[in-house]
Amino acid sequence: GQQLNQSPQSMFIQEGEDVSMNCTSSSIFNTWLWYKQDPGEGPVLLIALYKAGELTSNGRLTAQFGITRKDSFLNISASIPSDVGIYFCAGLRAGNMLTFGGGTRLMVKP
Amino acid sequence: GAVVSQHPSRVICKSGTSVKIECRSLDFQATTMFWYRQFPKQSLMLMATSNEGSKATYEQGVEKDKFLINHASLTLSTLTVTSAHPEDSSFYICSAEGGGGAEDGYTFGSGTRLTVV
Repeated sequence: GQQLNQSPQSMFIQEGEDVSMNCTSSSIFNTWLWYKQDPGEGPVLLIALYKAGELTSNGRLTAQFGITRKDSFLNISASIPSDVGIYFCAGLRAGNMLTFGGGTRLMVKP
Repeated sequence: GAVVSQHPSRVICKSGTSVKIECRSLDFQATTMFWYRQFPKQSLMLMATSNEGSKATYEQGVEKDKFLINHASLTLSTLTVTSAHPEDSSFYICSAEGGGGAEDGYTFGSGTRLTVV
C-alpha cells in the first residue's frame, strides 16, 4: 500500500533552535497535511498544503508541498518547550482517506 | 472550529467483554468518520471508514466482526470492540471532516486508551 517515509524519527531540540522534518512518498498526493500530537491526545492540524510547490506558514511553522507532489517538509523556527510532541505528515488519497507518516518525536535536550 | 468529542478517554475491561467507544461531531454534521488505532510510539493506522446510514468499510486485515462500527446519525459513530483480548489494548482515535471538505484536514477526537486485562 501507499506509505509515507518521515524523517527523522526523533530529534532533540534546544530552545531557540530551528527544526526541520520531511516526508517522502512513492505515490503522488494531492493534499499534504501536517499534524502535531501531544501525549494521550488526538492529532491537531497545523498546516494544510494543496498545490505543488506551495509554501505555507502558520506562525513559527512553515511547510512546503514538493514540486513532484511526492514530498513535503515542515520547519519550526526558534523552537520553544511547548513544541515538544510528535509531528505527523499525512497525505490525502483517493476516497478522502489519510495516510500517515511514521512521525517525528521532538524532545528537549536535557 | 470543528470539534470532535470522543468518549470515554480511558477504559479498562476484562478479557472477553465488549467495549463501546463513541465519537461525536459537536458543531457540524459528518457523513463520514474514520477510526484509527495507534500502538505505543507508532503512527496512526486506519481501521475503517464509517459511513452514515450504510455499512462501514474496513481496511485489509481488520476484522469487521470484532470491531463493530455503527454510524446511525450524522453526528455519532460508535466503535465496539467485541470479545476484547489483551492484544486489543491500544489507543483508538476517530476523526471527521471539519465541514470544509477533506482538503481542510480532518478533526480528530482526543482518543480512547483501551486496556484489556
